[in-house]
Amino acid sequence: DVKVTQSSRYLVKRTGEKVFLECVQDMDHENMFWYRQDPGLGLRLIYFSYDVKMKEKGDIPEGYSVSREKKERFSLILESASTNQTSMYLCASSLEPYGYTFGSGTRLTVV
Amino acid sequence: GDSVTQMEGPVTLSEEAFLTINCTYTATGYPSLFWYVQYPGEGLQLLLKATKADDKGSNKGFEATYRKETTSFHLEKGSVQVSDSAVYFCALTGGSQGNLIFGKGTKLSVKP
Repeated sequence: DVKVTQSSRYLVKRTGEKVFLECVQDMDHENMFWYRQDPGLGLRLIYFSYDVKMKEKGDIPEGYSVSREKKERFSLILESASTNQTSMYLCASSLEPYGYTFGSGTRLTVV
Repeated sequence: GDSVTQMEGPVTLSEEAFLTINCTYTATGYPSLFWYVQYPGEGLQLLLKATKADDKGSNKGFEATYRKETTSFHLEKGSVQVSDSAVYFCALTGGSQGNLIFGKGTKLSVKP
């Protein structure tokens, strides 16, 4: 089975800090995605990548950036964390544009 | 743009009750349709999918039929269990590069 691993389940950071959320998949998938999940808003796409060193903005990229230096790793970066970025962050990978495998999520709290 | 609309939750049922969670969509072309489930504290898991009109996806007693004429993909289960308590997301392939577009999710609670 494909495994998508997110480095932290829970994270607490201070306003203004630079935050790195790491995601690693073990099945050589080309496509990787970052979503945030908020009550009443569902899942919203932040960034995605279809290849190494390639990135595309999703629906809500403001305040975020990403890095994909290796195929298996897709990092989400909060340049200067703010309280409105408190959320559940979900990483996913897929071999095609659909059929996602999700990680367990990182619940980030910015204080 | 493409979108998915799910019934608002939460939905509370007794064990062995019949479940329907409504999902309708707006899309250009012919998207694939999915149901994902999220158990407490976990990420999303694919529950079932359908790739063309009139296809029926099924898994773990859940079913959904791709209805192009009504642009719907309603999730059903004949007899729910306490272990089915979770959040259910309807989704379709859409966006500029075929990425998944999700509904807002429906929380299901099943009481013994």
